[in-house]
Amino acid sequence: KAGVTQTPRYLIKTRGQQVTLSCSPISGHRSVSWYQQTPGQGLQFLFEYFSETQRNKGNFPGRFSGRQFSNSRSEMNVSTLELGDSALYLCASSLYPGPQETQYFGPGTRLLVL
Amino acid sequence: GESVGLHLPTLSVQEGDNSIINCAYSNSASDYFIWYKQESGKGPQFIIDIRSNMDKRQGQRVTVLLNKTVKHLSLQIAATQPGDSAVYFCADSRNSGNTPLVFGKGTRLSVIA
Repeated sequence: KAGVTQTPRYLIKTRGQQVTLSCSPISGHRSVSWYQQTPGQGLQFLFEYFSETQRNKGNFPGRFSGRQFSNSRSEMNVSTLELGDSALYLCASSLYPGPQETQYFGPGTRLLVL
Repeated sequence: GESVGLHLPTLSVQEGDNSIINCAYSNSASDYFIWYKQESGKGPQFIIDIRSNMDKRQGQRVTVLLNKTVKHLSLQIAATQPGDSAVYFCADSRNSGNTPLVFGKGTRLSVIA
């Protein structure tokens, strides 16, 4: 069974631009979570989607948004990029939502904001 | 997981030795704990989990120990191999409510051949 895939793998943007990242979960998984990983803050939860609905949101500004499609694929968007948004963005999928469901991570999208 | 600051702790072990990676958590209400392994250029990979009604759980070459009294979690890797070199994260959560996983900052394990 194919794992979680994320596109693109690498991205370079400039301040003020916006970016959209894509995540395809493991086949049959209906829940998708997004995390931001930086050397300083580690892995931080962004949001969780299940059945096209956002179930949970982390402590990030409104510039960070996401959505989930009927096929469970998910996208996240960051508008008005700031230098501090440079990070590895990880997507994880699970069969069902909730922090105690085993989450399987994709390889991540590395975003560099110049 | 607990914040351990900006510097990533490093553990170096000889190939074949046992490794012990420690983690402290801060939420006494946490009742579910997970260990993840992250190799360079990859996303975190699930290793093993444990619920608060257990003190110990074993997997293949790995054992997780939970001490709720001092809010401490450890991951033991038996006969450490070069392929075990990675960053290891603990994470915890509460089943009640909708609190997402909280990850520790991680420990870098380097295996010396």
